[in-house]
Amino acid sequence: AQTIHQWPVAEIKAVGSPLSLGCTIKGKSSPNLYWYWQATGGTLQQLFYSITVGQVESVVQLNLSASRPKDDQFILSTEKLLLSHSGFYLCAWSRGLFNQDTQYFGPGTRLLVL
Amino acid sequence: GQQVQQSPASLVLQEGENAELQCNFSSTATQLQWFYQSPGGSLVSLLSNPSGTKHTGRLTSTTVTKERRSSLHISSSQTTDSGTYLCAILSSNTNKVVFGTGTRLQVLP
Repeated sequence: AQTIHQWPVAEIKAVGSPLSLGCTIKGKSSPNLYWYWQATGGTLQQLFYSITVGQVESVVQLNLSASRPKDDQFILSTEKLLLSHSGFYLCAWSRGLFNQDTQYFGPGTRLLVL
Repeated sequence: GQQVQQSPASLVLQEGENAELQCNFSSTATQLQWFYQSPGGSLVSLLSNPSGTKHTGRLTSTTVTKERRSSLHISSSQTTDSGTYLCAILSSNTNKVVFGTGTRLQVLP
């Protein structure tokens, strides 16, 4: 069975500090990977997706970047956090192309920027 | 760009009642997925239904593609069904997933 793990579970960071959020999928080779963000009380927004190692496509510009250093790993980061980065970050994976297949979500990381 | 509207915004039911949730989208979608988001934030996929009718347990989804709408019917609601139900669309002309604003469901004992 496939499992998806996100770290950290929660984080409190200062404005201007760097951030790195991680996501790992086990039990599935070559998954399609996605990052989503949800402001408190807001709508989920797709941030990035990756079809293969080393290849990441940006969907929404939020002064964040993403990388896929390994087949099973997806990293979301920024060098300088903004207050507006606060919210809930979700990683997801799908077997096939996302226009044909179900997405499965991780437990999420809650971020508070002060 | 693609817009996804869900209605009602919130719904309160007594346990045992049925719920009908609606999702309307502005342009053609090749995939449509219903999710349940718990009060803690975690997302669970309920149904993938780009067209037609699908059932799973107490859930039935009907999507009419040419009318750009989908519904999710929850029969015999239970208190554990309380949470937010999200509709997500994958546009046919972009590689972008767009989520709706959600329906917050509260089922009272």
